[in-house]
Amino acid sequence: AQKITQTQPGMFVQEKEAVTLDCTYDTSDPSYGLFWYKQPSSGEMIFLIYQGSYDQQNATEGRYSLNFQKARKSANLVISASQLGDSAMYFCAMRLYNQGGKLIFGQGTELSVKP
Amino acid sequence: GAVVSQHPSRVICKSGTSVKIECRSLDFQATTMFWYRQFPKQSLMLMATSNEGSKATYEQGVEKDKFLINHASLTLSTLTVTSAHPEDSSFYICSANNGEWDNEQFFGPGTRLTVL
Repeated sequence: AQKITQTQPGMFVQEKEAVTLDCTYDTSDPSYGLFWYKQPSSGEMIFLIYQGSYDQQNATEGRYSLNFQKARKSANLVISASQLGDSAMYFCAMRLYNQGGKLIFGQGTELSVKP
Repeated sequence: GAVVSQHPSRVICKSGTSVKIECRSLDFQATTMFWYRQFPKQSLMLMATSNEGSKATYEQGVEKDKFLINHASLTLSTLTVTSAHPEDSSFYICSANNGEWDNEQFFGPGTRLTVL
């Protein structure tokens, strides 16, 4: 069965430091996509980064990078130089291409950035 | 990026009434739309996948007769919560795909439903 797991309900990080949010996944399909979304208190879902299962290199988008370890089935998000505005819920998600492309989400990690 | 809108953003209704939530893709055609429900401090739970011109595919445990989904055009999908009860109070979010699956899925801003 396909599953996404985020084991850190809450994380704290000092402003300007880097933080890693963990995500592991389980699927038997060879083709899948992994996403990270940020959800501030307003509720909107903000796309951060995408990694395809066949991508050879780790994805990067500005201060966000995805540490993709396929053999370990992990897709951790690294945020460098944390800012106060990074405080939010972060969700890891997996796209299931053989199930109509639906996106399933992990439990989420609440990140708090301290000044 | 592509824009998805939802209407209304917030609705309060009495128990037993029906509520319709609209999800629109504003600048692209969405052959597939998804509906999620999110309770406070919890994750997004997929309710159903909506394909234009066909019946929605519901996730296990989601009542089809209670959560009616219609995807009548390539830019509009609606979710109707029928005979709403207080336990249906939640944050409902739609998302849409523009056919490029190796890309972000675009989310609406969400609808907060409160059933009294």
